[in-house]
Order: sequence, then structure tokens, then C-alpha cells
Amino acid sequence: AQSVTQLGSHVSVSEGALVLLRCNYSSSVPPYLFWYVQYPNQGLQLLLKYTTGATLVKGINGFEAEFKKSETSFHLTKPSAHMSDAAEYFCAVSDRVESNYQLIWGAGTKLIIKP
Amino acid sequence: EPEVTQTPSHQVTQMGQEVILRCVPISNHLYFYWYRQILGQKVEFLVSFYNNEISEKSEIFDDQFSVERPDGSNFTLKIRSTKLEDSAMYFCASRISGNTIYFGEGSWLTVV
Repeated sequence: AQSVTQLGSHVSVSEGALVLLRCNYSSSVPPYLFWYVQYPNQGLQLLLKYTTGATLVKGINGFEAEFKKSETSFHLTKPSAHMSDAAEYFCAVSDRVESNYQLIWGAGTKLIIKP
Repeated sequence: EPEVTQTPSHQVTQMGQEVILRCVPISNHLYFYWYRQILGQKVEFLVSFYNNEISEKSEIFDDQFSVERPDGSNFTLKIRSTKLEDSAMYFCASRISGNTIYFGEGSWLTVV
């Protein structure tokens, strides 16, 4: 069965510093990979996704993630953190079955931005 | 931009009562989902729905739960005889045929 591990339930960085949120997955075949963001009291918003093609994907708000098959990782980065980035970030994977497609979620990482 | 809308945003109900959570998926989408997130825990898949029937459901989705698409726009989750442990954020989601699932803002259910 597929699973997703996000290292660190909380990550704290200073404003302007690099953001790195880690995600590793287990899957027998390369899955589709997603990062979602959840701002306080809001729903889940798609940040970026990897399906096929270029392994470095760019998302909204300056975030990007790189799919590394050899490491089974899909870490999320942003060069310079902004106060508005404070939120919870979820990594999710899915298999490639068309009709019974669902997402398997990581536990989430709460990103804290220090002024 | 089209979005998935959910109502109510927050509902408090007494244990044992029935609850219906409503969702309006994006209009041309074909696949519909319910997920839930118990406070402090992972988001969990409940059920997927396609072509007017359940296509997959998780172990959580037992006889207490049901889904319905009563008309061309709404997609509802009914929880019968609610329990304290049903307190969670319930997310509706939809997708067209591609690989991106779009989520609503969620419905907070508090069972007291």
C-alpha cells in the first residue's frame, strides 16, 4: 500500500530564509505527487503537482518541488519565506488508476515564519 | 475561477442525530469525493463517486455513511446517528478526467 511521510510536524524558519518541507513516499510505481496548502480556517488549496515530464515543478506563491525517483522524494522548497506562507502543508500521492483515483495523504507540516 | 462549494461551513449536532453535508462540485466535473480530517490527524479518504454510483470507499465509510447526487449539481454526505468521533472537517472534492482533485473549503462537524 502506498504511504506518505512528511518529516517534521512543525518547521520554523525566519522571514526571508529558505523553506524546505520534506516528503517521501512509498509506491511500487511512480505515482502522481501533490502538495496542498491549508491556511488557518480554510480548505485545501493545490500548490503544485507532478505527473510526468520535468521533475522540477513550479507552483503558486513561489514554491517549487522536485521529484526524485531514486530517493522516492518530493520535497517542497521556497527560496525566501514570507509571513503569508505560514500555513499547514500536505504532501499527497495517488496511483494512476483512472476511475478509482484517490489521494493518500501525509500527516502535514505546519510552517511557522519568524519575523 | 470555478470552485467547489460546501455548506454548512460549521455544524454542531447532538450525538445520535443525522447530519447532511452538502457540496456543489465544479460544474463539468465527473468524479466526486469526500475526505475527512479529524483535528490533528491526517486527511482520510472516505468515498469516491462516479457515474451515479460509489466507485470506491474506505473502511471508514461504513453503513453509517451514505452519499447521494440528488440532482445535477449537489453531492451530499449523510451521516446517520452521529458519534463523538465523527467530529472532523469534511472535505468535498471533484475532478474532471485529469489528475487534479479540487477541494472545497470544508465543513466543520462538531458532535456534542
